[in-house]
Amino acid sequence: QSVLTQPPSASGTPGQRVTISCSGSSSNIGNNPVNWYQHLPGTAPKLLIYNTSKRPSGVPDRFSGSKSGTSASLAISGLQSEDEADYYCATWDDSLGGHVVFGGGTKLTVL
Amino acid sequence: QVQLQESGPGLVKPSETLSLTCSVSGGSINSHYWSWIRQPPGKGLEWIGYIYDSGTTKYSPSLRSRVNISVDTSRKQVFLKLTSVSAADTAIYYCARRNYDNGGYWFDPWGQGTLVTVSS
Repeated sequence: QSVLTQPPSASGTPGQRVTISCSGSSSNIGNNPVNWYQHLPGTAPKLLIYNTSKRPSGVPDRFSGSKSGTSASLAISGLQSEDEADYYCATWDDSLGGHVVFGGGTKLTVL
Repeated sequence: QVQLQESGPGLVKPSETLSLTCSVSGGSINSHYWSWIRQPPGKGLEWIGYIYDSGTTKYSPSLRSRVNISVDTSRKQVFLKLTSVSAADTAIYYCARRNYDNGGYWFDPWGQGTLVTVSS
């Protein structure tokens, strides 16, 4: 059971806009920035969004992140077939002396 | 750019100690935090802990009693030891650099990961 809750799956057709949610609590998302990672099985996870809404260089502006209260969201616009992957949210949790927590992951399928 | 490579035995017996190495190339190991993260088969990512080049560590509350992370800056290597392993420790183990800015922390880059199976 992950501390951060994500839907196990999401889907969309090419060109569509898809949103993936990440729900937490006041000790994690409510008080700390959120990061998003894209993971294709067999490869190294890739940083997509850091500090809630910032994109590393090289990440297309089709990817955007936001946060409200104890929930965060990753939006992907202009969906492409290569976006099919697993997506994880992560943040710092202030409880138990402080530690990193991940969401359970969302498998995005491009139909 | 910085590249990370995990290495170590792919098979460990139950109750024994899992030992992995993360080799850092293309950049400095100093003045950075280095993390271990794992992914059990069919499950999500789980943070194990991190170490600073000075040796300061922080571990996951659920693994704290069994984990030790160390660093050899001269060899540019980060080490993970996990004791008393069971089948539940079977996972792909990743190392990653932890970055910090403006109150936030994130992992980038990551290594390719190494699969460790716990089985007799």
